[in-house]
Amino acid sequence: GENVEQHPSTLSVQEGDSAVIKCTYSDSASNYFPWYKQELGKGPQLIIDIRSNVGEKKDQRIAVTLNKTAKHFSLHITETQPEDSAVYFCAVRGSQGNLIFGKGTKLSVKP
Amino acid sequence: NAGVMQNPRHLVRRRGQEARLRCSPMKGHSHVYWYRQLPEEGLKFMVYLQKENIIDESGMPKERFSAEFPKEGPSILRIQQVVRGDSAAYFCASSPRAAVGTYNEQFFGPGTRLTVL
Repeated sequence: GENVEQHPSTLSVQEGDSAVIKCTYSDSASNYFPWYKQELGKGPQLIIDIRSNVGEKKDQRIAVTLNKTAKHFSLHITETQPEDSAVYFCAVRGSQGNLIFGKGTKLSVKP
Repeated sequence: NAGVMQNPRHLVRRRGQEARLRCSPMKGHSHVYWYRQLPEEGLKFMVYLQKENIIDESGMPKERFSAEFPKEGPSILRIQQVVRGDSAAYFCASSPRAAVGTYNEQFFGPGTRLTVL
């Protein structure tokens, strides 16, 4: 079955710096890659997603890149702010439509 | 436009009792997914349902766990004879359209945190 690896598990940056989180997957047929942000005590919130027919997508300070050949995709957050502090999860859509999640990255943005 | 709703938000049960978790999808969504999250871990898929049908239950334990999504009312995840290892956060997500062969955005509820004493 599909396997999703996410790195790093923790990431600490200074306010204003950029943060990059990377994920790899195993099934070359995968075609949908969402990213979720989870704040303490809350459910995951979809922040950006990318389909396999594009290589990059940007939404204000957040961007996602996809390399289908290498089977990896990355989340880029620029000009980080303290409110970006949360746990971020990458996911890959499985063959039946369920999402297969990475183990998460705890991002801390220091003011 | 209300989001995905789950209740209760917190549930405490003693070993051997039953737990019932409810999920109301977003308006217009007819596809529901249940996931379990253990502390400090990612979410693990359990079951995918459409109205009155279980589409994929490959992630759900065969014993003690069941799920339904009736024609009327919320989706229910039922855990019988709970054990301490069932303690986790249970999230449901809803999607507006079929998953297979298409892209589907899934929107998550706030979760139910189950504690088994």
